[in-house]
Amino acid sequence: QVQLQASGPGLVKSSQTLSLTCTVSGDSVSSGDFYWSWVRQSPGKDLEWIAYTYYRGSTQLNPSLKGRVSFSVDMSKNQFSLNLTSVTAADTAVYYCARAVSTTHTRQGRNYYYYYMDVWGKGTTVTVSS
Amino acid sequence: AIQLTQSPSSLSASIGDTVTITCRASQDINSVLAWYQQKPGTAPKLLISDASSLKRGVPPRFSGSGSGTAFTLTISGLQPEDSATYYCQQFHSYPITFGQGTRLEIK
Repeated sequence: QVQLQASGPGLVKSSQTLSLTCTVSGDSVSSGDFYWSWVRQSPGKDLEWIAYTYYRGSTQLNPSLKGRVSFSVDMSKNQFSLNLTSVTAADTAVYYCARAVSTTHTRQGRNYYYYYMDVWGKGTTVTVSS
Repeated sequence: AIQLTQSPSSLSASIGDTVTITCRASQDINSVLAWYQQKPGTAPKLLISDASSLKRGVPPRFSGSGSGTAFTLTISGLQPEDSATYYCQQFHSYPITFGQGTRLEIK
């Protein structure tokens, strides 16, 4: 049974870099079947997708965070990580990591592949202080 | 970005009732939509993918339908443990987006 656990510093000062790690158990981050995802949820607010990352390095990013986000995958530790630079109070949120699996839709004889998040970790709370 | 609008934003129903939550997309997403359930202090939990495909282990009282821009999540025979916030999510186009959520209270 796959499990994910996000971990982070809890408290980060404004303008600094936030680093988060997601540890995966019961599955391999180097599996070609999945993307690995980050989603955040500000206090009392909506869910915001941050990115998908693939173990070979390809990523899909939310443009709202483009330029501030970087990722890495550590296959030896079965972890993937997120770095978010120049944080502000707006980055205060619960950060979730999740596994994304593919589904295939066929239209006009052509296959299209999409990824949705099927297993989520418990999330880690990050507060940005001034 | 594709916008998802859920309605209602909150509702209250009794045990045994049937409720329907609607999600409308700002453009055609075929059936590339998922539904999640979130209880306070916990991570979202996948209920349905591809608009109507129930995740293994999810009770069959949950069902989804729709295609294009209009989707529904129906919960038949409400149980106390169904009290939660429900979100739709489109994964047709990047950036992936979520609806604003529907809070369901069990009377």
